[in-house]
Amino acid sequence: DSGVTQTPKHLITATGQRVTLRCSPRSGDLSVYWYQQSLDQGLQFLIQYYNGEERAKGNILERFSAQQFPDLHSELNLSSLELGDSALYFCASSVASPGQANGYTFGSGTRLTVV
Amino acid sequence: EDQVTQSPEALRLQEGESSSLNCSYTVSGLRGLFWYRQDPGKGPEFLFTLYSAGEEKEKERLKATLTKKESFLHITAPKPEDSATYLCAVRGSGNTPLVFGKGTRLSVIA
Repeated sequence: DSGVTQTPKHLITATGQRVTLRCSPRSGDLSVYWYQQSLDQGLQFLIQYYNGEERAKGNILERFSAQQFPDLHSELNLSSLELGDSALYFCASSVASPGQANGYTFGSGTRLTVV
Repeated sequence: EDQVTQSPEALRLQEGESSSLNCSYTVSGLRGLFWYRQDPGKGPEFLFTLYSAGEEKEKERLKATLTKKESFLHITAPKPEDSATYLCAVRGSGNTPLVFGKGTRLSVIA
C-alpha cells in the first residue's frame, strides 16, 4: 500500500456520460498530480494541484476538470466521455512544493472503460 | 520541451542473464531523473532518484547510473520476479511535472 488511495478501481460507463475519480494523497503530501496511461501513449501528465491551488496543466482536455479540496483529496471529473478516453488514470502525490525535485508516490489507479 | 526515450521497448532475458535498459533524455535544467517499476494493472513504484552526472544508486539486483544525456538501469542476474515495466522520468527546471518515457517491458524467463 503506497498510501495514495484511488477510488473506484474500475469504472465502466457509456459514451457521453460523466464520471468522477477520487484520490486521497499520502498523509502529509500537499501536491497531487493526475496522469493518464494508455497503451500507446504511456503516462501523460494531466494536471497538478498544490495545497488546493492549480499549479500546472498538461494535455488535459476541456471536457476534463479537477479540483483539490481543503482536506487535500482531489477529484478528476471526466465528461462527454468518448471511447478514446478509456485508459488507466493515476493519481500521485508528493511532499514537495512546486519547485522541489522530489519523486511522486502513485496510487493503484482507476481503470476507465467507455463502451 | 522535456523528452524521454527508453530502449528497448521490450526485453526478454533468461534467469541470470544480466542486461541494461537505456533512458535517453532531453531536459532544460535537470533537477532529477527517476526510475519506477510498474507491474500490470498497478501504479508505478518508485525505485531511484539520480540528481547529477556520475551518480549511481543500487537496490538488490538493480543499479542505476546517470550521464549528462542518458541513464542506464543495470539488472544483474535477474529473477522471474523482476519481470515488470521499468519507467524512466525526468524533472526539469521550474514547476515542470515529471515527464515519463514509454517504458521497457522486461520479461525474465526461468
